[in-house]
Amino acid sequence: NAGVMQNPRHLVRRRGQEARLRCSPMKGHSHVYWYRQLPEEGLKFMVYLQKENIIDESGMPKERFSAEFPKEGPSILRIQQVVRGDSAAYFCASSPPGWTEAFFGQGTRLTVV
Amino acid sequence: AQRVTQPEKLLSVFKGAPVELKCNYSYSGSPELFWYVQYSRQRLQLLLRHISRESIKGFTADLNKGETSFHLKKPFAQEEDSAMYYCALAPRADKLIFGTGTRLQVFP
Repeated sequence: NAGVMQNPRHLVRRRGQEARLRCSPMKGHSHVYWYRQLPEEGLKFMVYLQKENIIDESGMPKERFSAEFPKEGPSILRIQQVVRGDSAAYFCASSPPGWTEAFFGQGTRLTVV
Repeated sequence: AQRVTQPEKLLSVFKGAPVELKCNYSYSGSPELFWYVQYSRQRLQLLLRHISRESIKGFTADLNKGETSFHLKKPFAQEEDSAMYYCALAPRADKLIFGTGTRLQVFP
């Protein structure tokens, strides 16, 4: 089991472009979580998804951000029209049904120039 | 409000010294609390959770509901303990609220 895989590890985007961050959960895990870590801050919960369902998006900014976890393929965190303030490390975690603990990916570091 | 506070950004100790990483939480219910660790260039991983009451790599953490604390302790620090440590609160089974983290540096 390769663990939670995130790609790309580093992503540079110009202001106004779109950023797509991918997360492949561990085998057998049906729950995916996205967290954002801004400089000098802790990890902030963004969204919790199960296959084809958004369960809790209370931490997602109201505009420009969206997330999906399709029946097939990885979970995608999409940021439209990126701004400098979106520069951060974005972490994905997955857990099996019944949730005992969350397993984290290595993160994607987004830099907006 | 649900919040986790880790007051120290950096804690530096010498090898063999005791370590205490502080964590205070704010939550009105019965919390489930965790410590996660991130070693250099590695992913965040679970170190321990209060309900299991385990000792992992010599670390222990006791939940003190009166003081709303969950401090992480180790009697004798090792150089390989150097890492970022995050305290986290789970107000429900599928949501983690993290503190800002404490970097532990253990000098030889």
